[in-house]
Amino acid sequence: EAGVAQSPRYKIIEKRQSVAFWCNPISGHATLYWYQQILGQGPKLLIQFQNNGVVDDSQLPKDRFSAERLKGVDSTLKIQPAKLEDSAVYLCASSLGTGANVLTFGAGSRLTVL
Amino acid sequence: QKEVEQDPGPLSVPEGAIVSLNCTYSNSAFQYFMWYRQYSRKGPELLMYTYSSGNKEDGRFTAQVDKSSKYISLFIRDSQPSDSATYLCATLGSSNTGKLIFGQGTTLQVKP
Repeated sequence: EAGVAQSPRYKIIEKRQSVAFWCNPISGHATLYWYQQILGQGPKLLIQFQNNGVVDDSQLPKDRFSAERLKGVDSTLKIQPAKLEDSAVYLCASSLGTGANVLTFGAGSRLTVL
Repeated sequence: QKEVEQDPGPLSVPEGAIVSLNCTYSNSAFQYFMWYRQYSRKGPELLMYTYSSGNKEDGRFTAQVDKSSKYISLFIRDSQPSDSATYLCATLGSSNTGKLIFGQGTTLQVKP
């Protein structure tokens, strides 16, 4: 079974620039999550999709972050404009459904904002 | 107060030692608890998954939940250098949505 694919793995940008991350979940997984992991901290949920609908985006900074899940499969997370404090690893995860399901994480996209 | 608290370490032990990793949580309603292992520059991978109180064993790993004290533990027996990683405890914040709440993570180094 192929895992969760993410790209790019690394990205360096200047503050106020924009960046986009892409995620392809495990085939058949209806639920997709984007987590932000700042260095030395645990992952924090940014947004959760069930198929192509948003389940939870309460911690997404909506003035600069946006995310979509096209046709209930792939997802993109965009940051515009980026701030220094956005430097982090952006982890995508997927699961079969909601509730007490096992999450499978991708390797993450590491963003450095200068 | 954070919902899940974990000592970040780092923790350094010799090969073969017994390792104890711990977390506390604040909400007595939490029922599901997990331990994830994260190697450097990799995503977290599920190690152990427990429901409510009690112990669960899987090879060299034992997960323990004490709901009366809101305490979660992971024990690693006969630790190996390949166990060197960051260990994240997590709880299911919402059984409806599947949202996980993570601790800060404890960095473990097992020296040969």
